[in-house]
Amino acid sequence: DVVMTQSPLSLPVTLGQPASISCRSSQSLVYSDGNTYLSWFQQRPGQSPRRLIYKVSNRDSGVPDRFSGSGSGTDFTLKISRVEAEDVGVYYCMQGTHWPPWTFGQGTKVEIK
Amino acid sequence: EVQLVESGGGLVQPGGSLRLSCAASGFTFSSYSMNWVRQAPGKGPEWVSYINSGSNIIYYADSVKGRFTISRDNAKNSLYLQMNSLRDEDTAVYYCARKARTGAVAGTVDYWGQGSLVTVSS
Repeated sequence: DVVMTQSPLSLPVTLGQPASISCRSSQSLVYSDGNTYLSWFQQRPGQSPRRLIYKVSNRDSGVPDRFSGSGSGTDFTLKISRVEAEDVGVYYCMQGTHWPPWTFGQGTKVEIK
Repeated sequence: EVQLVESGGGLVQPGGSLRLSCAASGFTFSSYSMNWVRQAPGKGPEWVSYINSGSNIIYYADSVKGRFTISRDNAKNSLYLQMNSLRDEDTAVYYCARKARTGAVAGTVDYWGQGSLVTVSS
């Protein structure tokens, strides 16, 4: 199974400041069709996960443009340009290239300092 | 608006059984592959099972293979998970999750339900 490793696991951020989360996979996530199936999910306290980013850098409808995804191969990053109070929660990366099984990172908890 | 509503969770003793249901609306259910994903308390999500639109391709995580059975009824816009021989480690919130249409076998989840809590304890 592909192992997804996120860092940091905890990220205290000042409101209005940027935040960055790293996700690394144990093997390349490039699929045979040329796409890279790496997604990012946000889980606010008490809620179910919500997809923010798919195929590395495509933002879902309704997701603020302060969220951006980048990376390739085995190294990926989720950036929040200016953290707002509503961004508090746990963020997960997920690979959908080598499955079954789909695998998730351990999660990064974003909190306000 | 896509809606996925799970039901059927609850408290069950080790070795017991439970059947989860997921009612889908707001999209053409019969055209999408579906999944169950679970999340143990304080842990990250764990993919459990997949079923394609025609129910002829099914996958399970090794941790539930032989104990859980996924199924669907396209006429009723419903997804199911029959869980037998339940163990303490199956305690989790179980989410119904839609596979995004990518034109490939690979892909991702695009919508999740609100979840149904399953607690396995004596």
